[in-house]
Amino acid sequence: DIQMTQSPSSLSASVGARVTITCRASQGISRWLAWYQQKPEKAPKSLIYAASSLQSGVPSRFSGSGSGTDFTLTISSLQPEDFATYYCQHYDSYPYTFGQGTKLEMK
Amino acid sequence: EVQLVESGGGLVQPGRSLRLSCVASGFTFGDYAMHWVRQAPGKGLEWVSGISWDSRSIGYAGSVKGRFTISRDNAKNSLYLQMNTLGPEDTAFYYCSRNNDFDYWGQGTLVTVSS
Repeated sequence: DIQMTQSPSSLSASVGARVTITCRASQGISRWLAWYQQKPEKAPKSLIYAASSLQSGVPSRFSGSGSGTDFTLTISSLQPEDFATYYCQHYDSYPYTFGQGTKLEMK
Repeated sequence: EVQLVESGGGLVQPGRSLRLSCVASGFTFGDYAMHWVRQAPGKGLEWVSGISWDSRSIGYAGSVKGRFTISRDNAKNSLYLQMNTLGPEDTAFYYCSRNNDFDYWGQGTLVTVSS
């Protein structure tokens, strides 16, 4: 099975800051990588698919990059509504797996 | 508007079975792969199972393989998860999600396995 490792597991940042979260796959997954945002007591929300494609309606301050085994999610200028937990996930082959999550907290 | 509505969760004793359903609307259900994802209270997301649009390709997480069965009925716009031999480790919110990039999610249904 492909393992997904996210870093950091938690992060404190201020409104307006630029934030980067990384995700590493245990083997190459091409660009079959997605990112999700989850707020407490809510279902996850899709942000990015195919490593760098923005889902419809997602603000352009979110961006993704990478291919193969190393990927990043960047938020260019943090807004108050961005404080949440973020997950990466591969969908290269079954079984799909998620990263352990990165909790983004307000500094 | 795309909507996914899960149902069938509840309190169940260890060793028993439960069947979850997910009813889809707002899109052509039969055109999309579908998935189940779960989240234990306070924990991260865990992919459980996925099924292709035509049911010919199915996958399971190792933690549920042999106990859970995913299926779909495209005529009824419905996705199912038959869960057998449930244990406390299966306690979680269960979400259904559309497509292999999980672009839409339901609100989830809670399964609690306890005596």
